[in-house]
Amino acid sequence: AQSVAQPEDQVNVAEGNPLTVKCTYSVSGNPYLFWYVQYPNRGLQFLLKYITGDNLVKGSYGFEAEFNKSQTSFHLKKPSALVSDSALYFCAVRDPTAGGGNKLTFGTGTQLKVEL
Amino acid sequence: EPEVTQTPSHQVTQMGQEVILRCVPISNHLYFYWYRQILGQKVEFLVSFYNNEISEKSEIFDDQFSVERPDGSNFTLKIRSTKLEDSAMYFCASSESVYTEAFFGQGTRLTVV
Repeated sequence: AQSVAQPEDQVNVAEGNPLTVKCTYSVSGNPYLFWYVQYPNRGLQFLLKYITGDNLVKGSYGFEAEFNKSQTSFHLKKPSALVSDSALYFCAVRDPTAGGGNKLTFGTGTQLKVEL
Repeated sequence: EPEVTQTPSHQVTQMGQEVILRCVPISNHLYFYWYRQILGQKVEFLVSFYNNEISEKSEIFDDQFSVERPDGSNFTLKIRSTKLEDSAMYFCASSESVYTEAFFGQGTRLTVV
């Protein structure tokens, strides 16, 4: 079974400082990993993904994430946070060896709050 | 930019009534999904649909739920007899392939009273 853990319910950071939102995963095979962002009363917006290749992936709005197989982690990072980055962030995993319908399993979400 | 659209944005229904939630996936996508998010909780997988049939469903997706692609563009989720615990935000999503990300709609907030 596939699972995702986001250990922090909330992360607070000052604008201009780097941010990290943590994610660890568990799958049987090689994972497909995703980050999504949700603004209030909105749908899930895709940020970035890791399927294969370079462990450091870059996505929308200056976000990046590093795949670490030995630590089974996929932490989301941004060098300089903006107040507009404040939102709910979800990590998700898909196990391509599981067959079936390519479902995503989401973490519980991390609320990012960026303050002036 | 193509997007997944869902209607209605809000639906209030009485317990025991049937509801149909509608979605128009991105036109060249082949995989379709429904997820739900109960207020304050995580996003949960309900069902995936490919090649006109269900490819996977969760334990949540019991006999009260069904999905259909009635024509070439719409993808619907039907709840036959709604319960209070069905109150949630329901998200439709679609993806082009197994290697690509899923794009989500804005959601339908279902309130069962």
